[in-house]
Order: sequence, then structure tokens, then C-alpha cells
Amino acid sequence: DIQMTQSPSSVSASVGDRVTITCRASQSVSSWLAWYQQTPGKPPKLLIYAASLLQTGVPSRFSGSGSGTDFTLTINSLQPEDFATYYCQQAKSYPFTFGPGTKVDIK
Amino acid sequence: QITLKESGPTLVKPTQTLTLTCTFSGFSLSTGGVGVGWIRQPPGKALEWLALIYGDDGKRYSPSLETRLTITKDTSKNQVVLTMTNMDPVDTGTYYCARRRGAGDAFDIWGQGTILTVTS
Repeated sequence: DIQMTQSPSSVSASVGDRVTITCRASQSVSSWLAWYQQTPGKPPKLLIYAASLLQTGVPSRFSGSGSGTDFTLTINSLQPEDFATYYCQQAKSYPFTFGPGTKVDIK
Repeated sequence: QITLKESGPTLVKPTQTLTLTCTFSGFSLSTGGVGVGWIRQPPGKALEWLALIYGDDGKRYSPSLETRLTITKDTSKNQVVLTMTNMDPVDTGTYYCARRRGAGDAFDIWGQGTILTVTS
């Protein structure tokens, strides 16, 4: 199985801040990496797919980069609705695996 | 509009078999490469992928749970069914179904989830 790790596990930030979350795969997943946002009591919402492609309807302050084993999700100018938990997921090979999550909360 | 909705029991006893149904609309599971998967989330924990089925009836399972899982589809009803045998309290959590658009792609549309508790 491909193991996914994320750092940090949590981050405190203020509205307007830039937040960067890192995801690392235990082996190359090429660009088959997705990012999801989840708020309490809600299902995950796809933000980024294929490492850097913005899902339709997702604000442009979200961006993704990376390939191989190292990936980054960046949120520019954090908004109140962005306080949530973020998960990465590799879509290259079975079993699909998710990272442990990064919680973005209010400083 | 694409929607998926999970249905099933909210409570099962240990050793029982769980049956969950995902009813979807707005897309066809017959479209090449499209799949419907199941993902679960224990309370306060991360997401765990369980199984996936494609329109050609191809199926994939999480190796750690494969002996307990069966995924099937009823294309005429736009439904995907997941059965999980020998339920245990550690299986407690929220179970989601979600659409996978194609090979190598992510899960783009998710159901609201169904909450399950396993307890005697």
C-alpha cells in the first residue's frame, strides 16, 4: 500500500493568511493526487485533482502543486469558510489511501 | 445535477452483516471509466477507502477488509450495494459513497454519508 503523510497535523491561522499544507507519498503517485476539504458533519469536498487542477466551482485561492512523492496545497488569503480539515488522497493505485488530515483552525 | 445518497441501518450488532445502499442520479455507471466507491470515517478519524465498482462490473477492495466486503451494482436502479460481514465495534463511523470520474481520477461527488454504530 502507498502510505500518505501530511504536515502539519494542525495549523492555527488568521483570516487573510496564506496556509501551506504538505502531503508526502511513500512511493511515486505521479500526479494522481487529490485534495479534499471537510467541515464537521459534512462529506469531503474535492478541491484539487491531478495534483494541480482546480475542481469546478472551487475558489482560485486554492492551488495545488507537486508530483512524484511530494505535494503542496496552498490557500491564499484564508477566508472564514476555509477553517476545516484537509485530506490528500493518492489515486494512482489500489488500495486508494488518504492522508491523516490537517486541521486548519482560527488563531 | 449529480447526487448520491447512502441508506442503511444506523445500528448493528457485533457479528452481524451490514448492507448499505448508494442510490445515485445524474450520471450513468455504464459510462466508461466511471466508478462508485465506498469510503468510511470513524468518529474523529481519517478517511478510509473500502471498495469501488465500475460499469464493466470491475471491482476493487481494500486488502485489509477484502474478506468481509462485497460490492455489487444494479444499473437499472442506479444503485450500488456494499455488504460487510462480521461487524465489530471498530467499524463504527460514517460511511460515504462517492463517484470516481475515471481512471486515475479523484472522487468528485460524495453522498452526505450514513452514520453507523456497532454495539451489542
